[in-house]
Amino acid sequence: EDQVTQSPEALRLQEGESSSLNCSYTVSGLRGLFWYRQDPGKGPEFLFTLYSAGEEKEKERLKATLTKKESFLHITAPKPEDSATYLCAVRGVWDGQNFVFGPGTRLSVLP
Amino acid sequence: DGGITQSPKYLFRKEGQNVTLSCEQNLNHDAMYWYRQDPGQGLRLIYYSQIVNDFQKGDIAEGYSVSREKKESFPLTVTSAQKNPTAFYLCASSIDRAYEQYFGPGTRLTVT
Repeated sequence: EDQVTQSPEALRLQEGESSSLNCSYTVSGLRGLFWYRQDPGKGPEFLFTLYSAGEEKEKERLKATLTKKESFLHITAPKPEDSATYLCAVRGVWDGQNFVFGPGTRLSVLP
Repeated sequence: DGGITQSPKYLFRKEGQNVTLSCEQNLNHDAMYWYRQDPGQGLRLIYYSQIVNDFQKGDIAEGYSVSREKKESFPLTVTSAQKNPTAFYLCASSIDRAYEQYFGPGTRLTVT
């Protein structure tokens, strides 16, 4: 069974204090790993898709990386507006598979 | 602007009543989805549809029903058979089921 876990559950950073969020996954053949940002009371916003180990993608202060077992979302010099819940999801290669989402990491960046 | 709309944003119903949540997209996506989000849990798939007039059950379909009569629309009905209907409901769409999904703003349903 495909599974996704995320750690830590919650993270508090000072503005400018860089850190990383972890997404560990188990899937029988990875088609893609997806990162989303979700603000309270809103729908998730798509950030990145990673397809193969070694791949990296960047967007402003965010950088996502992928290995065969996990993905990291690195946040460099975060600002308070980066505060949100970050969700990770995986999708396997088989046609009948659906996305499996992790529970998310709740990030708070303090000014 | 292309996107996904859900209405209403907040919905209140009495126990025993059926309620329908609206989802419309103008992204020309073939696939559409309904998820349920509860505190501390990942998104759970209720139903999905790959094409018009076809839909499949997800992991937690009991007590829910859907229709897909138009490519743009995928309404979800929460029936009185759903034992714990109070939740945040999210609609999403994608070009294909293997690609990234784009989400609507969500509907928060409260049943008392």
